Amino acid sequence: LAKTTQPISMDSYEGQEVNITCSHNNIATNDYITWYQQFPSQGPRFIIQGYKTKVTNEVASLFIPADRKSSTLSLPRVSLSDTAVYYCLVGDGGYNQGGKLIFGQGTELSVKP
Amino acid sequence: DTAVSQTPKYLVTQMGNDKSIKCEQNLGHDTMYWYKQDSKKFLKIMFSYNNKELIINETVPNRFSPKSPDKAHLNLHINSLELGDSAVYFCASSPSAAYSSGNTIYFGEGSWLTVV
Repeated sequence: LAKTTQPISMDSYEGQEVNITCSHNNIATNDYITWYQQFPSQGPRFIIQGYKTKVTNEVASLFIPADRKSSTLSLPRVSLSDTAVYYCLVGDGGYNQGGKLIFGQGTELSVKP
Repeated sequence: DTAVSQTPKYLVTQMGNDKSIKCEQNLGHDTMYWYKQDSKKFLKIMFSYNNKELIINETVPNRFSPKSPDKAHLNLHINSLELGDSAVYFCASSPSAAYSSGNTIYFGEGSWLTVV
């Protein structure tokens, strides 16, 4: 099962761009990379998903290099409300394996005024 | 409008008791899950059901028994509660059981279980 490694915590200030990098050296060919966000007292919420290169949506961008052994979640101009834990996940691939997403410790992002 | 709803949100109970957490999703998804989050924020899969059939059963004590009466509901029953069962339990659902593009997992708000 692919395992992920990401920083335990990061601090930022409002208006800054935040980049959170995740390592997944053992990612399998069919695995997708997904990022979730979790606010205190809430369940994780899907942010973005990608397979290779770059993906962008209204919330974030995801950069994946050619070897796919890492990925970087980029949050443009963060605000206080972006304070949360961010989880990087790689899938196990294949039918009946969807639930075996490996949630690591996550990165606790703290945005200060 | 709640997509994945679980009850109760908070539960304080004594050791040895039996309790249940209920979960319902109105997204029309085929697959439902129970995750457990400990105090260190690690989120671990416990069970997964696809169209009412158990497809993932991680190493969980037999005291934990999931039940899926239909594909929109997945309840978790816990017998003989122990102190170590204190955690946040998240119900979740996804369109299918395959981890692929678009198969996003939607989580409920969580149920905070405290065993005293």
